Amino acid sequence: DTAVSQTPKYLVTQMGNDKSIKCEQNLGHDTMYWYKQDSKKFLKIMFSYNNKELIINETVPNRFSPKSPDKAHLNLHINSLELGDSAVYFCASSQDLATYEQYFGPGTRLTVT
Amino acid sequence: AQSVTQLDSHVSVSEGTPVLLRCNYSSSYSPSLFWYVQHPNKGLQLLLKYTSAATLVKGINGFEAEFKKSETSFHLTKPSAHMSDAAEYFCVVRVGPGSQGNLIFGKGTKLSVKP
Repeated sequence: DTAVSQTPKYLVTQMGNDKSIKCEQNLGHDTMYWYKQDSKKFLKIMFSYNNKELIINETVPNRFSPKSPDKAHLNLHINSLELGDSAVYFCASSQDLATYEQYFGPGTRLTVT
Repeated sequence: AQSVTQLDSHVSVSEGTPVLLRCNYSSSYSPSLFWYVQHPNKGLQLLLKYTSAATLVKGINGFEAEFKKSETSFHLTKPSAHMSDAAEYFCVVRVGPGSQGNLIFGKGTKLSVKP
């Protein structure tokens, strides 16, 4: 039983394309997150969703749009991909916003050529 | 502003010897601190957390960390390294009070374990 799952695991695409990464958690958590890990392993939060409402939207380009069809899913859609978008994207979840412990998915390695 | 600094980008130890991964934090609030581990091509896993209870925190796989307010440190230790400990370790501080908190990650320390 995978607690937080992401698909695909690897994604290679060309500049200008639009792509989506899916995330699902089966933990019954209320809050989900997207993080970006750059080539230097630095992790930065991009978004968090609590009960289907966007809570935090860090300074990310509006080409990135999180979409949550229900509490268990938080998908990341990226328009007009750029070379600098190449990174590993991690989905995570926590019981709620006040709970400190976050559970991470295995990551999606996005390569833009 | 809240931040976390991992003092070493790479630490190499021999199997069976102690591990010390250093972390200093800066926080305007009483901080919540965490250590996460990332094995190669894997997601992040929570090792341990400090949330204003006991200053010596024990985590999984024999790791522990001590919160020292006077030194603004939260170093991660393990008495005896195992080959399976080789991974990237992230020190994390929770930013902001209560439900407004957000996680800020350090830049990571790569731990290598030699046989």
